[in-house]
Amino acid sequence: EVQLVESGGGFVQPGRSLRLSCAASGFTFDNYAMHWVRQPPGKGLEWVSGITWNSATIAYADSVKGRFTISRDNAKNSLYLEMNTLRPEDTAFYHCTKDVGPGSWGWFDPWGQGTLVIVSS
Amino acid sequence: DIQMTQSPSSLSASVGDRVTITCRASQDINNYLAWYQQKPGKVPKLLISAASTLQSGVPSRFSGSGSGTDFTLTISSLQPEDVATYYCQKYITTPPTFGGGTKVEL
Repeated sequence: EVQLVESGGGFVQPGRSLRLSCAASGFTFDNYAMHWVRQPPGKGLEWVSGITWNSATIAYADSVKGRFTISRDNAKNSLYLEMNTLRPEDTAFYHCTKDVGPGSWGWFDPWGQGTLVIVSS
Repeated sequence: DIQMTQSPSSLSASVGDRVTITCRASQDINNYLAWYQQKPGKVPKLLISAASTLQSGVPSRFSGSGSGTDFTLTISSLQPEDVATYYCQKYITTPPTFGGGTKVEL
């Protein structure tokens, strides 16, 4: 069974940093692109960032470009999101999700339960 | 960037009703469209890929159609367990944008 388990969320002040992790299991991690998608409580879905199987292609939403960095460690079956200069509007559940293929981009399936990031003073 | 617009943003229907949700792309996206269902308190679940390909295990009352810029998700006979928010998403190109969602209530 494919499992994606996020961690690293929490309460942080504006301007500070946070690093999210996603532990993947149940599939051959380095065969698939991966993504981060966020959802503010009670609101819609926003794609944040994606990374291909070999990290050759990385993309970001304009709203996080220059502040967030996605990375992966295929040896550890893990996906990461380094978030710097956080803003209140970054408050959301952050979901790790698996792409259908190795390259850029397909549909997303499945999704992790998410980790909540709250940015507030 | 290509924008994805869903309508309506919410709807109320009765059990057994036929429900149709529309998703419009601001540019031609061929059939590179997926539909997701998000039940209250749950994570999104993939229903349909390539505009009309039903995922394994998804009830046959769900169907998708369209190509180019206009797409629809249809529930042929609404069931209580279909109460959820539905999202379309275009993929292939960056960014893989989601529509704003359609909340379906009974």
